[in-house]
Amino acid sequence: AQKVTQAQTEISVVEKEDVTLDCVYETRDTTYYLFWYKQPPSGELVFLIRRNSFDEQNEISGRYSWNFQKSTSSFNFTITASQVVDSAVYFCALSEAAYNTDKLIFGTGTRLQVFP
Amino acid sequence: DGGITQSPKYLFRKEGQNVTLSCEQNLNHDAMYWYRQDPGQGLRLIYYSQIVNDFQKGDIAEGYSVSREKKESFPLTVTSAQKNPTAFYLCASRIGTASEKLFFGSGTQLSVL
Repeated sequence: AQKVTQAQTEISVVEKEDVTLDCVYETRDTTYYLFWYKQPPSGELVFLIRRNSFDEQNEISGRYSWNFQKSTSSFNFTITASQVVDSAVYFCALSEAAYNTDKLIFGTGTRLQVFP
Repeated sequence: DGGITQSPKYLFRKEGQNVTLSCEQNLNHDAMYWYRQDPGQGLRLIYYSQIVNDFQKGDIAEGYSVSREKKESFPLTVTSAQKNPTAFYLCASRIGTASEKLFFGSGTQLSVL
C-alpha cells in the first residue's frame, strides 16, 4: 500500500542553521511521483518540488535542496541557512501512476520553527 | 488571476445541521479534491473528482457528500452523520494526471457550536 512517513513532528532551529526534513515512502508502483509542499500560517499549501521515480538526480533551488534515494525510499528536504520566513508546516506527498491514479497521499507533516 | 477560491473562511455548524463548503476554480482543471486536515494527522482525502458528473470516495468519505455539476465547482457538504466535523478543509485541483502538482485553496475552518 502507498504510504508516506514524516517521522519528525516538529523541528526548532535558530536562524542560519541548516535543517533537514525527512520523508520516507512506500509504494507498489515502479512509476510514481514525489512532492513537497509548504503550508505557511495562512493555511494555503504551496508547491515546492516534484520528482518522478526515474530521476534520482538531486535538486537545488536557492537555499532549498532535495535528496532522492530510491534505495532507501527517501526524499529528504534540506534548507540551508534557515530564515524566519521558512517557519511553516512542510508536507511530503506521493502519487502513483498505475494505482489510484488521481490520489495524492500526504505525510503527516513536519512543523518547522525558525527563531531569530 | 487564476486560482482556487474557497468560502467561507470560517464556518460554524450546529448539532444535526448540514453545511456546505464552496470550492471554485478558474484554472480549467479536470480533477478536483477535498482534503481534511486535523492537527498531527496531515491531509486526508475525503472525495475527488476526475471529470464533471463523476466523483470517487477517498479514505474518509463517511459523513460527507459532494457534487460535480460544473467543471469549475466542487462543493462539499458535511452532513449531520459526520460526528466529528471540526477540522480545516482544503480544496485542490490539478490537470488530472498523477504527475501533476495540486493547486490549493486557502481553506475553510469548520467548527461545531
